Parts: sequence; structure tokens; C-alpha cells
Amino acid sequence: RKEVEQDPGPFNVPEGATVAFNCTYSNSASQSFFWYRQDCRKEPKLLMSVYSSGNEDGRFTAQLNRASQYISLLIRDSKLSDSATYLCVVTDSGGYQKVTFGTGTKLQVIP
Amino acid sequence: EPEVTQTPSHQVTQMGQEVILRCVPISNHLYFYWYRQILGQKVEFLVSFYNNEISEKSEIFDDQFSVERPDGSNFTLKIRSTKLEDSAMYFCASSDRGLEGYTFGSGTRLTVV
Repeated sequence: RKEVEQDPGPFNVPEGATVAFNCTYSNSASQSFFWYRQDCRKEPKLLMSVYSSGNEDGRFTAQLNRASQYISLLIRDSKLSDSATYLCVVTDSGGYQKVTFGTGTKLQVIP
Repeated sequence: EPEVTQTPSHQVTQMGQEVILRCVPISNHLYFYWYRQILGQKVEFLVSFYNNEISEKSEIFDDQFSVERPDGSNFTLKIRSTKLEDSAMYFCASSDRGLEGYTFGSGTRLTVV
């Protein structure tokens, strides 16, 4: 089983749609979880941390389910500018040492 | 906004040659990292560096790789004898507080021919 697994997509959605991505992780000792965004041939950029209680940042909501070992990202009211690859990131040390990235889920928002 | 600067942005090298990829982390950061991303694949951890020594490295980071922080500002990744499969984008990152504080550089695209 891969350490961090994501559906690669692509998810093609119309503007204004709601889209959700899931990510599963294999290491039950994992402590910290994040969603990153990566535009084509660019560096990853932090989108949001994922807390046990769930968290929301504008149109973005992240959830963590430790029992089932998955995290999710919900994007509401999709914009064209949301088109990117969304990377699930897991670490067992808060990110001070090894960090494991998922392969990413590609989102294409269509006009 | 502070940046992590990587040079060069693109490097082409012949197989078997040594390359040095350079990074200038954010000045007050204490944790430094190298990652690589082969085209179309995931971002892979190579090495973390703290307090002037490697704190963790992956199985990818074999004897062909080394890192240095020679002058307190630059952070370099050296590949001693490049192979075709070393062709990838190499990202440097620095942080003051783990992954939440990560800033990635814009990467160096290494092409080994």
C-alpha cells in the first residue's frame, strides 16, 4: 500500500461547482496533515493545514478522519483559478523531518 | 514576502558529471530541505538539514548526494556523478516551524543527457 494515496484525476468541473478530494495514508502514527497546491511546473504552496476538528478557510474545507486514515478537501464555488494539482501531505514529525507527498489530484475548472 | 531562491533555474549536464544546485533559504529559518520531482511524478523527500547536519535522509539520498551549508547563507545539493534518472525538478525548502512554515524555492530543473 502506498504511503499516501490520491486519485490522480483529472477532475473536470464547471465554474461554481463543489468538488471534493480524498487522500488516504498508511502510517497510523502520522501526526500532521496538509493540503498543498501545485501549479504546472511550479513549486508546491501550502493551501491549508488539516486539524483533527476540521478547518475551513473561505471556500476550502479540510477534514481529518484518523480512524479511517483519510483526509479530505472540499472546494466550494470553484473558480477558474482553482485549476491546479492538489497535493496531500503527511508527516509524522510536524514536518521537521521527513514529509510524504501524495501524487496529487488534478483539478480543471471549466468556464 | 521573504523568498527561497534557487539557482540555476535550469541546468543541463552530461551523464557522469558533477552538479551543484544552490539555494538561499530565508534568513531566519533553521530547517532546510531538498526535494525532487521527476516529471509527472510526486514530490519526493531527499534530505532535511538542521544545526549544520543532516537530520534525516531518504533512500534516494545515497552516496552520490551530499548537502552543505558552507557560509551560513547558501544551502547546496551536490550530485557527484549524475545519471539519466537524476533528471528532475529539485526543490529547496526552508522553515522556521515545520511544514506549516515551509517556503519552497521555485526549483531547479536538472536535465541529464
